Amino acid sequence: DTAVSQTPKYLVTQMGNDKSIKCEQNLGHDTMYWYKQDSKKFLKIMFSYNNKELIINETVPNRFSPKSPDKAHLNLHINSLELGDSAVYFCASSPRQGVYEQYFGPGTRLTVT
Amino acid sequence: AQTVTQSQPEMSVQEAETVTLSCTYDTSESNYYLFWYKQPPSRQMILVIRQEAYKQQNATENRFSVNFQKAAKSFSLKISDSQLGDTAMYFCAFRGLSAGNMLTFGGGTRLMVKP
Repeated sequence: DTAVSQTPKYLVTQMGNDKSIKCEQNLGHDTMYWYKQDSKKFLKIMFSYNNKELIINETVPNRFSPKSPDKAHLNLHINSLELGDSAVYFCASSPRQGVYEQYFGPGTRLTVT
Repeated sequence: AQTVTQSQPEMSVQEAETVTLSCTYDTSESNYYLFWYKQPPSRQMILVIRQEAYKQQNATENRFSVNFQKAAKSFSLKISDSQLGDTAMYFCAFRGLSAGNMLTFGGGTRLMVKP
């Protein structure tokens, strides 16, 4: 069974479109995250979310918004896509407290043309 | 804000030999967690090893071990008996106890294990 899954794995779209990436975890974790990995492989946190608290990295444009229908899902919505949004987006989850590592999904490669 | 620095963009090692990847970090927190993640060409992020800052003993997982120097804010990864499957990007990551439990990653080191 896949612990953290993302769909789609690849997404190609045009500038100006609105798209969503879905994430689901079956680990019973309290907290979920979105990370962006750019073309130079640099990984940066975008959001941290549990059912009570959303932490937003201040550098993330407000065109990006996480939406959580329930504890096991955290979807990423992106409005008005730009060329610079092209990257690999990773979803992750972890228990809320403690030393536990974050479990990552397989990533979604987004290409904006 | 925390920063994590990996000063070696690329490294190579012969199969069966030992290699050490460097990582330094900057933080004002006294308690935190450190991790090494591996990203093979499949791009899946895989945890290699973790270290709690309050523990003096260096973490070890089979062929992987760390040298944690808290005063120097250094957290290097040693891979012994390197295998071809160790070829990957390696990321050092910091997690403090502040809100969000978010990871701050270093820029990564690309490791190539040569036969």
